Amino acid sequence: AQSVTQLGSHVSVSEGALVLLRCNYSSSVPPYLFWYVQYPNQGLQLLLKYTTGATLVKGINGFEAEFKKSETSFHLTKPSAHMSDAAEYFCAVSSGTYKYIFGTGTRLKVLA
Amino acid sequence: NAGVTQTPKFRVLKTGQSMTLLCAQDMNHEYMYWYRQDPGMGLRLIHYSVGEGTTAKGEVPDGYNVSRLKKQNFLLGLESAAPSQTSVYFCASIPSGGNEQFFGPGTRLTVL
Repeated sequence: AQSVTQLGSHVSVSEGALVLLRCNYSSSVPPYLFWYVQYPNQGLQLLLKYTTGATLVKGINGFEAEFKKSETSFHLTKPSAHMSDAAEYFCAVSSGTYKYIFGTGTRLKVLA
Repeated sequence: NAGVTQTPKFRVLKTGQSMTLLCAQDMNHEYMYWYRQDPGMGLRLIHYSVGEGTTAKGEVPDGYNVSRLKKQNFLLGLESAAPSQTSVYFCASIPSGGNEQFFGPGTRLTVL
């Protein structure tokens, strides 16, 4: 069985500060890992994904994430937060069978 | 391309009423999904389809039925709505051979 744990349902950072959103997963097979972003009253859109290959993946809007198998983690980072980054972020895992498990989400607040 | 669309955007039902939510995609995607999103619980899979004419149960299928008579449409039905089904419902699709989910804008359903 697969599962995803997102530590921190709410994270606040100052504008210009580092953004770090944590995601840990559990999977009995090599996972596919995803980060999605949801802006208010909208659907989810893909930020980045890891399937195979390079463990550091870059996504849209300056976000990146690193797959660390030994730590079963896929944390999302951005060097400098912008006001427009305020949103809810979801980590998801799949085993490639077209079923996806989502975390409970982390709401990011950016302080001026 | 319109992408993934959902109809209606909002709906209020009384307990016991029935309704159907429509998801349509114009990208010729093979796989389609219905999720519900509740505060603090992330997205939970209700039903999914791996192709026209096929459906399968997800994590929380009770009280819902689905049909995929046409490849581009995935319908979610509530036969007898209950207050516990108050939620935001999202549809998503994936192309054959792909792994990124494309989400619709959501349907906000309230059951009184």
